[in-house]
Amino acid sequence: GENVEQHPSTLSVQEGDSAVIKCTYSDSASNYFPWYKQELGKRPQLIIDIRSNVGEKKDQRIAVTLNKTAKHFSLHITETQPEDSAVYFCAARGVRSGTASKLTFGTGTRLQVTL
Amino acid sequence: EPEVTQTPSHQVTQMGQEVILRCVPISNHLYFYWYRQILGQKVEFLVSFYNNEISEKSEIFDDQFSVERPDGSNFTLKIRSTKLEDSAMYFCASKAPGTAGQETQYFGPGTRLLVL
Repeated sequence: GENVEQHPSTLSVQEGDSAVIKCTYSDSASNYFPWYKQELGKRPQLIIDIRSNVGEKKDQRIAVTLNKTAKHFSLHITETQPEDSAVYFCAARGVRSGTASKLTFGTGTRLQVTL
Repeated sequence: EPEVTQTPSHQVTQMGQEVILRCVPISNHLYFYWYRQILGQKVEFLVSFYNNEISEKSEIFDDQFSVERPDGSNFTLKIRSTKLEDSAMYFCASKAPGTAGQETQYFGPGTRLLVL
């Protein structure tokens, strides 16, 4: 089945700096890659996603890039703010069960934005 | 904005007892999921449900687990005989019908289950 690796496990940046989180996936048939932000004790919330027919997507300070050949995708946060502090999970969706297909999550990155 | 809701928010039970976790998905969604997250670990898929049947299940989802959509709004996860290792946060998620542009799975706030 699909395996998603995520690095780093923790990331500390100063306010205003950029943060990059990287994920790799194993199933070349995966076609949808969301990123979720989870604050302590809260539900995972989608912040950005990308489909396999697109190489890059940007939404204000957040961008995601996808390299299908290398089977990796990355989250980029620019001009980080303290409220960006959270755990970020990447995920990949396979196609085995069609549109009901599950998400396979990475292990998470704890981002700490310091003043 | 509509949200997935879950009850209870916390549940404490004794090992061997049955628990039922409840979810109300977003009203026009047709795909439903249960995931779990052991404290400090990643979110793990348990089961997906569509058209009144299980679409896919993980190896975690053994005979002790079952899901049901008893009416038009609720989606439940039952654990028949809880074990200590079932202690986790359980998230329900739902997804709208369709394909392109409708891939987002929306998560509920979770039920924290503690098995003693």
